[in-house]
Amino acid sequence: EVQLVESGGGLVQPGGSLRLSCAASGFTFSSHWMSWVRQAPGKGLEWVANIKQDGSEKYYVDSVKGRFTISRDNAKNSLFLQMNSLRAEDTTVYYCARSPSYGYLVDYWGQGTLVTVSS
Amino acid sequence: QLVLTQSPSASASLGASVKLTCTLSSGHSNYAIAWHQQQPEKGPRFLMKVNSDGSLIKGDGIPDRFSGSSSGAERYLTISSLQSEDEADYYCQTWGTGIVVFGGGTNLTVL
Repeated sequence: EVQLVESGGGLVQPGGSLRLSCAASGFTFSSHWMSWVRQAPGKGLEWVANIKQDGSEKYYVDSVKGRFTISRDNAKNSLFLQMNSLRAEDTTVYYCARSPSYGYLVDYWGQGTLVTVSS
Repeated sequence: QLVLTQSPSASASLGASVKLTCTLSSGHSNYAIAWHQQQPEKGPRFLMKVNSDGSLIKGDGIPDRFSGSSSGAERYLTISSLQSEDEADYYCQTWGTGIVVFGGGTNLTVL
């Protein structure tokens, strides 16, 4: 069974940093593109970043470029999102997501972790 | 610019069918999309991939009541024999090189 379990969310002050983690199991982690997708309270889904199987390609939504860094550790079946210079508008639930072998869509989602940026 | 457009809301009666629409922006009519369901207070769930030729790849355990189709720049999700648990937000998703896009979502009410 595919499982994606996020952790690391919490309350952080504006300008602060936070590192999210996603523990993957039930599939060959190193064979899949992985993504972070977020959702503000009461709003729609927004793609944040994705990373190729070997980490050699990474892409970001414009609003987080230069502030967030996606990475992965295939030996530990883990995905990460380092978030710096956090803003109030980054307050959302962050989902870890897997892409299948046949495209950059999402075919499995984690349960999400809430990040709140507030003083 | 790659954009997906969805109607904000839809409604249909219990036991009936409903067809939700996702429209690709101009110049992107050959793109595949994915449909996701998000029930209240839950994370999203992948339903299916819909290709431009109407072929589908469904997610694990997705009931036959859920089907997809395609016409031009429009991609459809049809839910038949509506049940109360189908009341949810439905999002379409597409992708290009270095970019992933979600539609704004359709909130489905089952009457």
